[in-house]
Amino acid sequence: GAGVSQTPSNKVTEKGKYVELRCDPISGHTALYWYRQSLGQGPEFLIYFQGTGAADDSGLPNDRFFAVRPEGSVSTLKIQRTERGDSAVYLCASSLERGSGKAFFGQGTRLTVV
Amino acid sequence: AQTVTQSQPEMSVQEAETVTLSCTYDTSESNYYLFWYKQPPSRQMILVIRQEAYKQQNATENRFSVNFQKAAKSFSLKISDSQLGDTAMYFCAFMTAQGGSEKLVFGKGTKLTVNP
Repeated sequence: GAGVSQTPSNKVTEKGKYVELRCDPISGHTALYWYRQSLGQGPEFLIYFQGTGAADDSGLPNDRFFAVRPEGSVSTLKIQRTERGDSAVYLCASSLERGSGKAFFGQGTRLTVV
Repeated sequence: AQTVTQSQPEMSVQEAETVTLSCTYDTSESNYYLFWYKQPPSRQMILVIRQEAYKQQNATENRFSVNFQKAAKSFSLKISDSQLGDTAMYFCAFMTAQGGSEKLVFGKGTKLTVNP
């Protein structure tokens, strides 16, 4: 596609439920990133994929969070046993140039845990 | 750990005028990248400008330019001839140039309003 696509745009879930957030990067971009943006804050790094493998998952807050990218394209961020503190905008980005920091972001998924 | 500080939560400017947004950062590394990203209400982060720390020359992109002071660890963004479409959140970000790490470290942002 023309840009990074994230679905759904908004997601409301009940505390304790499981959610999946999807990211479709720009075609041909091998690097993919997930960030979390809480209200009034800048984005915080969660995980970085180079191809199919997670090159850096140091930002995942705990073992309830997991992300996959099985074919090196689409990625899914999975959150188990959601908590109200997980409410945030989850941003996905992709990049063609490794190590450049030139990331193309999607419009994010706003997750609300009630 | 690297930190990025934006000390101006909100700023406003009149259309066609010039505004400068401030950013300071803390790192012990000598080689890194600095960025300004724009986030309009659509939530999509857009890269405005990028600076490589080893380059002394300040980066420019049309109406956007930076003042990079490496010794002072300062990286301000100047927007000239401000336009209504420049209204957005602006985030300063840092990325190490050391191999393997690709994460951007963002500041808390500055909300810029351009008034007609």
